[in-house]
Amino acid sequence: DQQVKQNSPSLSVQEGRISILNCDYTNSMFDYFLWYKKYPAEGPTFLISISSIKDKNEDGRFTVFLNKSAKHLSLHIVPSQPGDSAVYFCAAIRYGNNRLAFGKGNQVVVIP
Amino acid sequence: NAGVTQTPKFQVLKTGQSMTLQCAQDMNHNSMYWYRQDPGMGLRLIYYSASEGTTDKGEVPNGYNVSRLNKREFSLRLESAAPSQTSVYFCASRGHLGGISRFHEQFFGPGTRLTVL
Repeated sequence: DQQVKQNSPSLSVQEGRISILNCDYTNSMFDYFLWYKKYPAEGPTFLISISSIKDKNEDGRFTVFLNKSAKHLSLHIVPSQPGDSAVYFCAAIRYGNNRLAFGKGNQVVVIP
Repeated sequence: NAGVTQTPKFQVLKTGQSMTLQCAQDMNHNSMYWYRQDPGMGLRLIYYSASEGTTDKGEVPNGYNVSRLNKREFSLRLESAAPSQTSVYFCASRGHLGGISRFHEQFFGPGTRLTVL
């Protein structure tokens, strides 16, 4: 049973515009959320995270928004750059647990 | 500081053959993980080890065994490979450094691309 869902598997966006990736979760016990970025032939790398006590976390061009009541989070990339072309995974965990629950990923293509 | 390393990078097996995927981390992390990534399936956890001397099943453990050899090394073994095990395998580790904000961050290796014919 998929506890973390990423719909819209692929997204194409013009360079300089905003990329928005969405993620929904079903387990209300999750209290920490992460986004990973993955290039082809490489392992995923951590991008940004957010605790459930916050509704927004910003790091440079990347911002994650959390709506706990809707069990929904989103990743905004502004402005998008060609180097942002990658697969993005959403992940969630209950604090103190050992296992991340991953979504299936979103392919982002930034067009120069 | 190499982070998480995996060997081999590529491997082709015939059905029924066995092999061991190696993983090592030099970050003094307690927890280590094995995932597989298949098209359209995301990252699925095979096994994990919360600390040296312990291992637990993930969501897709069938057909695999693991060994936490020491704190640094966590290997994944396929005893009798099947075509369904064709995948990209990632090892990851997690420590408890960096404070609460980084507590759950997992560091991934570069992956092993396995093909079973």
